[in-house]
Amino acid sequence: EIVLTQSPATLSFSPGERATLSCRASQSVYTYLAWYQQKPGQGPRLLIYDASKRATGIPARFSGSGSGTDFTLTISSLEPEDFAIYYCQQRANTITFGQGTRLEIK
Amino acid sequence: EVQLVESGGRLVRPGGSLRLSCEASELTVSDNYMSWVRQTPGKGLEWVAVLYRSGTAYYADSVRGRFTISRDDSKNTLYLQMSGLTVVDTAVYYCARIPLYYFDYWGHGTLVTVSS
Repeated sequence: EIVLTQSPATLSFSPGERATLSCRASQSVYTYLAWYQQKPGQGPRLLIYDASKRATGIPARFSGSGSGTDFTLTISSLEPEDFAIYYCQQRANTITFGQGTRLEIK
Repeated sequence: EVQLVESGGRLVRPGGSLRLSCEASELTVSDNYMSWVRQTPGKGLEWVAVLYRSGTAYYADSVRGRFTISRDDSKNTLYLQMSGLTVVDTAVYYCARIPLYYFDYWGHGTLVTVSS
């Protein structure tokens, strides 16, 4: 099973700042990686798939990069609604998710 | 607007059975790859099962042989039949569409609690 590690568990930023979240895979997932945002009481929302492709309706401030084992989600300028939990997910070998990074307001 | 609405979650005793439903609107279940994903505070998000348009199904090792994913085309509804439930199956269960093995539409989830 491919393990996805997201660290740190919590990040603190102020609105308007640039945030960079990390996801590391235990073995190569090529570019078969997605990012999701989840808010309380809701299912996750697909943001990025295939490492760098924005899903339909996702604002341009969200971008993804990486390949192999190291991936990054960047939010260029944080809006108040962006404070949530973010998960990565791979589909290279079955499907697994990272444990999530909570983005909180500083 | 696509909506997926899960139901059927409740408290059930260990060893018991339960069937979850996921009613879809603005999306035809039989035309899509559909899946169940569960979430717990401890293990996070875990993929459970997928049902292809063809009717072929695949399961996570943790549920294979105990859970069955199916659909009723006349009701445009996806199901998850669960049996042999244990405390580790306690979770919020989501249904989701899974084109290209990424999940692009999710419901709000239904809580299954397995406890004596």
